[in-house]
Amino acid sequence: GEEVAQTPKHLVRGEGQKAKLYCAPIKGHSYVFWYQQVLKNEFKFLISFQNENVFDETGMPKERFSAKCLPNSPCSLEIQATKLEDSAVYFCASSQSNPGSKWEQYFGPGTRLTVT
Amino acid sequence: KQEVTQIPAALSVPEGENLVLNCSFTDSAIYNLQWFRQDPGKGLTSLLLIQSSQREQTSGRLNASLDKSSGRSTLYIAASQPGDSATYLCAVRSSGGSYIPTFGRGTSLIVHP
Repeated sequence: GEEVAQTPKHLVRGEGQKAKLYCAPIKGHSYVFWYQQVLKNEFKFLISFQNENVFDETGMPKERFSAKCLPNSPCSLEIQATKLEDSAVYFCASSQSNPGSKWEQYFGPGTRLTVT
Repeated sequence: KQEVTQIPAALSVPEGENLVLNCSFTDSAIYNLQWFRQDPGKGLTSLLLIQSSQREQTSGRLNASLDKSSGRSTLYIAASQPGDSATYLCAVRSSGGSYIPTFGRGTSLIVHP
C-alpha cells in the first residue's frame, strides 16, 4: 500500500499478558523500523529490519521483546509478560533502500498499548 | 552521543503570525535533518528533509534552514493557520554510519483563530 499500516490501533493488556503488534510497510520499502513513544514526544528506537533480516536491534530490551518480518506477512512486535512500563504508543516506519532515499522514513499511525 | 533539543517546548499564537521553531543538536557531523508534524493520536508526517550539504528547504508556507557549524535548524512557518496546530519534531541523522534518527521532544504549537 501507499501508507504504513499498523494494527491494532489500541491494545489493552493486563500485566503479565502477551501483546502482539503488527505493521505493514509501504509496498516497495525494504526497511522497517519500530519505535516506542513512552512520554509525549520522546521517541525511542527499538529495532529495524532489512526485508526479513534484523538490521539493527541495539534499542531492543534484552528480555520480553521480540520482533519479526517474514515474507508475505506483516511485521510484528511481540511483548511477552507485559509490564506497566510497557504502556506506550508503538510506531512503525518504513524506508526505501535506494541511495536517493536519504533514509527518509514514513510512519504509521501507531498502536497505543495500555498495560493495566 | 547526539542530543537534540527543541525550543520552545510549547507555543500559542494568534492566527496569521509568522513563527520560528528551533532545533539544536550537539554533534555537527550529521547526514541529514528531518522535520515532522504529529497530530494528536496520529503518527508522524514528514514535512521537510535537509541533507547535510543543503542550507534550506522550502515547501509551501514552510521553510527549514540548517546551520551545521552552529548545530542549529529552524523551521519557519509563514502566516500561521489554526490547521497548523500540532507538535513539530526535529530528527537528526548522524553521519558515520548511523542512520537511526535522534528525535527532539518537540514543540507543541497552538494557533488560535
